[in-house]
Amino acid sequence: SQKIEQNSEALNIQEGKTATLTCNYTNYSPAYLQWYRQDPGRGPVFLLLIRENEKEKRKERLKVTFDTTLKQSLFHITASQPADSATYLCALELTGGGNKLTFGTGTQLKVEL
Amino acid sequence: EAGVTQSPTHLIKTRGQQATLRCSPISGHTSVYWYQQALGLGLQFLLWYDEGEERNRGNFPPRFSGRQFPNYSSELNVNALELEDSALYLCASTLDRRDNQPQHFGDGTRLSIL
Repeated sequence: SQKIEQNSEALNIQEGKTATLTCNYTNYSPAYLQWYRQDPGRGPVFLLLIRENEKEKRKERLKVTFDTTLKQSLFHITASQPADSATYLCALELTGGGNKLTFGTGTQLKVEL
Repeated sequence: EAGVTQSPTHLIKTRGQQATLRCSPISGHTSVYWYQQALGLGLQFLLWYDEGEERNRGNFPPRFSGRQFPNYSSELNVNALELEDSALYLCASTLDRRDNQPQHFGDGTRLSIL
């Protein structure tokens, strides 16, 4: 069966450290992978998109990698800040999938002082 | 630029009733998507509308339906409400129907079924 797995347990890190979040998928061949941030009571906010033929994408303190052989994406936040505390969602979009995003359940990140 | 707006913010219904949720996309966006986010579950794709037509549908029963109006706003209707329909319903929009676009989300309608 098709599955998207993210760290189910919350990730607690110290301010200033790099947070690394994992997204693993099985039985999918995604064309694109997107990362979103969701704060409590709010809708998801788009962060980064990476295509299947791209290995890495960066935006300010954010970096995402995409390994289609391992079927894994890693999302890094460098120099993390308490304001980065949120739930981070990965989402797959399949070629010909009708713009449907299939989401993982998310990883809750808490950045402590 | 105003973002995606959804109404109402909260909606309380009883089993068997019908619910109508509304969404206004970002100005100039023609595609609207609906997702269900139940407690402890990820976002589940419900429906995609573009230019007034239903373009894709998720694995939900027919009592979940919707439409898109000429001004690109959209409505989600849920008939014969069941307890398990309690969830946050999120609407998103994109500029057009091309793939490879970030989806811009509203803050959702919290539907509670008593």
